[in-house]
Amino acid sequence: DTEVTQTPKHLVMGMTNKKSLKCEQHMGHRAMYWYKQKAKKPPELMFVYSYEKLSINESVPSRFSPECPNSSLLNLHLHALQPEDSALYLCASSQEAVFYEQYFGPGTRLTVT
Amino acid sequence: KNEVEQSPQNLTAQEGEFITINCSYSVGISALHWLQQHPGGGIVSLFMLSSGKKKHGRLIATINIQEKHSSLHITASHPRDSAVYICAVKPGAQKLVFGQGTRLTINP
Repeated sequence: DTEVTQTPKHLVMGMTNKKSLKCEQHMGHRAMYWYKQKAKKPPELMFVYSYEKLSINESVPSRFSPECPNSSLLNLHLHALQPEDSALYLCASSQEAVFYEQYFGPGTRLTVT
Repeated sequence: KNEVEQSPQNLTAQEGEFITINCSYSVGISALHWLQQHPGGGIVSLFMLSSGKKKHGRLIATINIQEKHSSLHITASHPRDSAVYICAVKPGAQKLVFGQGTRLTINP
């Protein structure tokens, strides 16, 4: 199984809502990542977890809250988002050390209204 | 100037043509990635290179570390190859640095 899955595929939320994005992999990878991608731009790194501990936070606003409950699962909790947070949110994982070959999920397209 | 520059930014070709996408970078790296992204969707890792050349099906990737340059070639291109191709480099143990992508359209 070389797949990273993400749910939901699409999400529309209001600025006062609380929602969560979910990412799962069963490749035994110990590093997992959240990226944000705006239209026609490359992905921007948000967070990196290594061995279930947060190792990198790219100065992301606190309205985004990551969580890694176990080595296979990565969540991104969203609260009080702004319309400019609308984007494609991509999850990725890699085998061992940070930033080895990354496997990406299909993404969640988020719209904040 | 971006640390990773891709050319061309947009490329349109006819089915069957040989395609070349270039990537130049200005930093020392431990690896270079070629990624593919179809419209609306997730990213597929095509290659990770640290030297030489790799081939997978109709795709070939080369890297010249001394010249800080990599190329992605597609032979016998097909409309399903239409996608954005992204070059990303790994400067040591640091995070990936992405190019702006090359939008490829293959017409039947």
